[in-house]
Amino acid sequence: GAVVSQHPSWVICKSGTSVKIECRSLDFQATTMFWYRQFPKQSLMLMATSNEGSKATYEQGVEKDKFLINHASLTLSTLTVTSAHPEDSSFYICSADGLDGTTQYFGPGTRLTVL
Amino acid sequence: QQQVKQSPQSLIVQKGGISIINCAYENTAFDYFPWYQQFPGKGPALLIAIRPDVSEKKEGRFTISFNKSAKQFSLHIMDSQPGDSATYFCAARSNNAGNMLTFGGGTRLMVKP
Repeated sequence: GAVVSQHPSWVICKSGTSVKIECRSLDFQATTMFWYRQFPKQSLMLMATSNEGSKATYEQGVEKDKFLINHASLTLSTLTVTSAHPEDSSFYICSADGLDGTTQYFGPGTRLTVL
Repeated sequence: QQQVKQSPQSLIVQKGGISIINCAYENTAFDYFPWYQQFPGKGPALLIAIRPDVSEKKEGRFTISFNKSAKQFSLHIMDSQPGDSATYFCAARSNNAGNMLTFGGGTRLMVKP
């Protein structure tokens, strides 16, 4: 139980295009989902917290208009990187709050490469 | 106030040895302390977690020791195996911060055969 999936697992795109990453909780409902960014050999950096049916809360320094988050249902959150540039290349990971409201379960991550 | 400091940054242990990773925090509002294991190119996986009302929790070869007065907690991996080679992250959560996790910097563990 408590499986979180992400799609796609990797994506390569051209500079200036937009990329959508999906995060799904497969066997549980998640009121809250989190989006992280991770650079090589570094820790996870929280980008935003999303709650179903409401606007996402972004961490300081994260551009809301560049990283669009939509938490449309209790099992799906999407992150859209708009007008992607090479500096947006990174490993993006989502997580979802478990049924106990405490444990965060992480997805497998999405490797984004912007050429 | 929100930082979690993790050490060492990297660790090399012989097979069968004990791996010890330490974390320290400042925020006394933290009430949940999980450890995550991450393999290259994968998302973090929950390994074991503890709450501050318990001083120790053991699951198989993995043990968390928690010292509330010192605001420190540590992960011990007994009988370390090459398959344990991964990056380990400690984290802390405060329920008055929207269940947000604050992560340590990570420890890259290598277990030599």
